[in-house]
Amino acid sequence: QSVLTQPPSASGTPGQRVTISCSGSSSNIGSNYVCWYQQLPGTAPKLLIYTNNQRPSGVPDRFSGSKSGTSASLAISGLRAEDEADYYCAAWDDSLSGYVFGTGTKVTVL
Amino acid sequence: QVQLQESGPGLVKPSETLSLTCSVSGGSFSSYYWSWIRQPAGKGLEWIGRMYNSGNTNYNPTLKSRVTMSLDTSKKKFSLKLSSVTAADTAFYYCARESYSSSSWYFDYWGQGTLVTVSS
Repeated sequence: QSVLTQPPSASGTPGQRVTISCSGSSSNIGSNYVCWYQQLPGTAPKLLIYTNNQRPSGVPDRFSGSKSGTSASLAISGLRAEDEADYYCAAWDDSLSGYVFGTGTKVTVL
Repeated sequence: QVQLQESGPGLVKPSETLSLTCSVSGGSFSSYYWSWIRQPAGKGLEWIGRMYNSGNTNYNPTLKSRVTMSLDTSKKKFSLKLSSVTAADTAFYYCARESYSSSSWYFDYWGQGTLVTVSS
């Protein structure tokens, strides 16, 4: 029941920059803030970005978020082996009166 | 250090009710939303619903008819009941705290998750 669309996969070599897109609609991304979560294999998701582009304490500044219209993006610069994980965007949806998550993107470090 | 821990049966029979509890330690219980989120193995995240300590709730419309959430503020626990389960409800279930800052809400703490399998 994912309402936000992400590419299923993305990859890069160590040190490269990887960008993940998240496409929504006017009822979710278009009118609310976006968060990003990182899920390492076998673990619970972890907050990576909130309020479109804010990093919680402890999250490296290699991770950055942006939003434009009904889409959002997560960029990982200086890609590292430990960044290999699934990444999910999320936003509140006014039409559903609930949260919607993205379809998820698996990042592979080559 | 805030910690959340899910507990409950790992196996539920079809048509029965799934019941889970999330115990919260290391932080305040008020002024936050408390959510349940699930994830079938190998698949994406699905938000189930949330509850505020005022009793205000929001449920996923696709699950609303089967979901009940409750809070026990004195014990710092919150619970999920999902009725009439089928195999499609088999998933990892996470509890999460929702905080407010910079004009938005977000899930800042998550439990480790618990696998619930629906099978006879």
